[in-house]
Amino acid sequence: GQQVMQIPQYQHVQEGEDFTTYCNSSTTLSNIQWYKQRPGGHPVFLIQLVKSGEVKKQKRLTFQFGEAKKNSSLHITATQTTDVGTYFCAGIMEYGNKLVFGAGTILRVKS
Amino acid sequence: SAVISQKPSRDICQRGTSLTIQCQVDSQVTMMFWYRQQPGQSLTLIATANQGSEATYESGFVIDKFPISRPNLTFSTLTVSNMSPEDSSIYLCSVVTVNNEQFFGPGTRLTVL
Repeated sequence: GQQVMQIPQYQHVQEGEDFTTYCNSSTTLSNIQWYKQRPGGHPVFLIQLVKSGEVKKQKRLTFQFGEAKKNSSLHITATQTTDVGTYFCAGIMEYGNKLVFGAGTILRVKS
Repeated sequence: SAVISQKPSRDICQRGTSLTIQCQVDSQVTMMFWYRQQPGQSLTLIATANQGSEATYESGFVIDKFPISRPNLTFSTLTVSNMSPEDSSIYLCSVVTVNNEQFFGPGTRLTVL
């Protein structure tokens, strides 16, 4: 079936270190969306990527969509304790209309 | 973006009973969905709520267990029927805007005893 694989499952970093989570799809995506979920909260929309090779930045967060539109990454520069949470990627398959979620990456930041 | 409200925010229910969750969005949206998120897990799509017609269910979910209504573009309900402890989960309403961005409601945390 259609799958979106996300790694790593869990990462524990020292405050100030960088963090990256990666997503790979078994099929071409029409777009990919990223979400952050704080402990006890609900997924909060961060960004949508649509174009092949697209790169978008939000302050310390950099989002990339691969040239083949099958993979994506989220990179956080100089993590802070407020970055703690689970980061999900979710893609819409080409010719589809439903988001398929990755398993999520849990980020913990030590101060 | 879209502002989504869900009621109730949480509930504790006895097995065998049913609970209806309401979802209201503040603007017209193109699509509405219902998801389930079990503890420590990712999100699983239950169904697409179709306005004025029967919902479209994903594999593993059936209408008798999870009846859904969507009487208009901005409101939907999900009922969890004949509950068992395995239904304990967070249930999330989600909408897609005209920009194709998908937003989630605050969720309903359900515990079944």
